[in-house]
Amino acid sequence: RKEVEQDPGPFNVPEGATVAFNCTYSNSASQSFFWYRQDCRKEPKLLMSVYSSGNEDGRFTAQLNRASQYISLLIRDSKLSDSATYLCVVNRGDDKIIFGKGTRLHILP
Amino acid sequence: DAGVTQSPTHLIKTRGQHVTLRCSPISGHKSVSWYQQVLGQGPQFIFQYYEKEERGRGNFPDRFSARQFPNYSSELNVNALLLGDSALYLCASSYGTLTDTQYFGPGTRLTVL
Repeated sequence: RKEVEQDPGPFNVPEGATVAFNCTYSNSASQSFFWYRQDCRKEPKLLMSVYSSGNEDGRFTAQLNRASQYISLLIRDSKLSDSATYLCVVNRGDDKIIFGKGTRLHILP
Repeated sequence: DAGVTQSPTHLIKTRGQHVTLRCSPISGHKSVSWYQQVLGQGPQFIFQYYEKEERGRGNFPDRFSARQFPNYSSELNVNALLLGDSALYLCASSYGTLTDTQYFGPGTRLTVL
């Protein structure tokens, strides 16, 4: 089993729709969690950190479920500019950080 | 404020050669991490350096080495290049350890022929 797993997609979603991604992780001792966004041929950029209590930033909501070892990202009222690859990132706590392969999202006009 | 800078932006080498990639972190950041990203995959963690010491290492062979200088800039060295080393090499800086937000540079695209 991979340490961090994501559905690679692509998710083809009409503009204005709501879309959700999940990411599972295998190491129960993992300490911190993030969602990064990567545009084509660009560097990854932090979208948001993920906390057990859940956190929201505008149209984006992230959740952590430690019992089931997954994190989620919900995007509401999707925009064309949301088209990108979304990377799930897990800090294992042993000075190693693991990126998922990413989920590709295409927002359709 | 200047972000993370990397040099060179592109590089072409042949098998067996050696390469050095450079990274300058955001001013005030003490940690630099290196990642390898091949097409269609997420970045793979290679090293983290914090306060000039190696703090973490991913599953890469000893051909990969790095160091951090007193000004917190860093070099990644790869010896005996293989075709499979062709990738985008990303550097990220953070104030502290890997629990802190990492800010990525634009990367160096290495092609090994």
